[in-house]
Amino acid sequence: GNSVTQMEGPVTLSEEAFLTINCTYTATGYPSLFWYVQYPGEGLQLLLKATKADDKGSNKGFEATYRKETTSFHLEKGSVQVSDSAVYFCALDAFTGANSKLTFGKGITLSVRP
Amino acid sequence: DVKVTQSSRYLVKRTGEKVFLECVQDMDHENMFWYRQDPGLGLRLIYFSYDVKMKEKGDIPEGYSVSREKKERFSLILESASTNQTSMYLCASSPAVGAGQYFGPGTRLTVT
Repeated sequence: GNSVTQMEGPVTLSEEAFLTINCTYTATGYPSLFWYVQYPGEGLQLLLKATKADDKGSNKGFEATYRKETTSFHLEKGSVQVSDSAVYFCALDAFTGANSKLTFGKGITLSVRP
Repeated sequence: DVKVTQSSRYLVKRTGEKVFLECVQDMDHENMFWYRQDPGLGLRLIYFSYDVKMKEKGDIPEGYSVSREKKERFSLILESASTNQTSMYLCASSPAVGAGQYFGPGTRLTVT
């Protein structure tokens, strides 16, 4: 079946540090890949996505590249801010007939200190 | 922007009560989903629906039912609430495969 594996957390960084959060996946076919962010007490927000190999998704300074050869979709940001403190989820959406069903990683908590 | 709304942000109910959680989306999406989120367990899919009046079980449907009478509205029903159903409940909608899902703000349900 489909699965998403995220690196263990939590992660604590100082403001302006470089961020990498690892994500690898297992899926049949050609899934679309996503990163979601959840701020405290809120629902999940779609941060970025990539729908085919070598695509790069980007938003709010975050980037992730769909790497089919390594089945990875690592999230990066060059300079984190305190406001980036949140839980980050990697997810995939594999075609199952005509329907859409997401498989999520367990999420990782990022804390950015001033 | 896609907007998914949930009827309550916080809800407290007693054991044995029937509980309705409502979700409405305004973007004419075909697909709608209900998840629960618990510390250490991540997001787990309860039920989903690909069209009006149809529903399919997710990974943890026991103790829940759903209703989708109109395209924009998807309701989660706890027939007889129990304390192990205390959780954050998240509704989502999606236009199509590969397009991702759009989530509501969540309902934090406490069953006492």
